Amino acid sequence: AQSVTQLGSHVSVSEGALVLLRCNYSSSVPPYLFWYVQYPNQGLQLLLKYTTGATLVKGINGFEAEFKKSETSFHLTKPSAHMSDAAEYFCAVSVQRTNAGKSTFGDGTTLTVKP
Amino acid sequence: DVKVTQSSRYLVKRTGEKVFLECVQDMDHENMFWYRQDPGLGLRLIYFSYDVKMKEKGDIPEGYSVSREKKERFSLILESASTNQTSMYLCASSTILAGYFQYFGPGTRLTVT
Repeated sequence: AQSVTQLGSHVSVSEGALVLLRCNYSSSVPPYLFWYVQYPNQGLQLLLKYTTGATLVKGINGFEAEFKKSETSFHLTKPSAHMSDAAEYFCAVSVQRTNAGKSTFGDGTTLTVKP
Repeated sequence: DVKVTQSSRYLVKRTGEKVFLECVQDMDHENMFWYRQDPGLGLRLIYFSYDVKMKEKGDIPEGYSVSREKKERFSLILESASTNQTSMYLCASSTILAGYFQYFGPGTRLTVT
């Protein structure tokens, strides 16, 4: 079985501050890990993904995440927040090659960016 | 550019009506998914399909059915709509060739009155 826990349903940062959104997963096999972003009244779009290889993954809009197997974590960071980063962020885990790559999603973290 | 489209952005139906939500993807993806999204509950998987005419139940299939007669199209059916099915419905598709990440449609906000 696979599961995802996002720590903190709401995170607030000032513009220009570091963004850190936390995600921990559990999986009995090597996982694929994803971060998605959702802007109001839109579907989700992929920010970045980890499948295999390099554990530090860079995504769109200056975001990156590091896969830490020993900590079962995949935290999302961005050095300097912009107002346009305000959105809801979802971490997801997928077990490789089974169940159509069905993903399990975290409950989401709403990021607020204060001017 | 890859695309997942959903037949309606907003839909209002009456209790007891049969409701069809359509999803089409143009990427030749083998996998398609239907989720509902409610505040505080995240995304919950209703049904998914890994091939034409193949389907599997997700976490909350009760009150829903699906149809996949063609690879590009995945339909969600509410047999008899109820007020507790008022929600945002999201369709997604994926392929093993792209590492299983999911492309999402814009969503359909369904209100059942």
